Amino acid sequence: EAQVTQNPRYLITVTGKKLTVTCSQNMNHEYMSWYRQDPGLGLRQIYYSMNVEVTDKGDVPEGYKVSRKEKRNFPLILESPSPNQTSLYFCASRDWSSYEQYFGPGTRLTVT
Amino acid sequence: DAKTTQPNSMESNEEEPVHLPCNHSTISGTDYIHWYRQLPSQGPEYVIHGLTSNVNNRMASLAIAEDRKSSTLILHRATLRDAAVYYCILFNTDKLIFGTGTRLQVFP
Repeated sequence: EAQVTQNPRYLITVTGKKLTVTCSQNMNHEYMSWYRQDPGLGLRQIYYSMNVEVTDKGDVPEGYKVSRKEKRNFPLILESPSPNQTSLYFCASRDWSSYEQYFGPGTRLTVT
Repeated sequence: DAKTTQPNSMESNEEEPVHLPCNHSTISGTDYIHWYRQLPSQGPEYVIHGLTSNVNNRMASLAIAEDRKSSTLILHRATLRDAAVYYCILFNTDKLIFGTGTRLQVFP
């Protein structure tokens, strides 16, 4: 089954404790991206990657890092999480030949 | 980035058609009109997209105004499973810019 998976689905952590949210897709898509969703603000793009070793900032990249060492994986790294990064995070991917973007199930992160 | 305007919420009864409007008066000639929906506790899912002509697929139809300044997503027979937030998005670069969408309620 074609899908985007994220882990963990839920995470509660404390300020300053580094964490990684993994994202993997099994569709051989070149393009992958991360979004955060906050009430009243909709979904906003954090980072995106057009292919392996190619990443770029989205609209709200501060406080986040990403890497794209393999085509299927696109982890989101929070080096020093803060409470304002409490949010619902979505990973997405798409093929260059298609406009359809596939989203993962989401990761709900709480930083206390 | 060109913006879209949608009503905050709409209601429908089951098995009735639903017309979800979207205004995009600043659309450029190369912007595609995309619709995604987000079911409760899920990630967004693609519904349909178009450029100039009306489009149909298994999920919905997309009617695009001749001047492209507005469009309408049509669900031909709403089901309870169609209750979701529907996003109208203009796309011509590498990212989807989501607004706050229209929350559709479907009543039995």
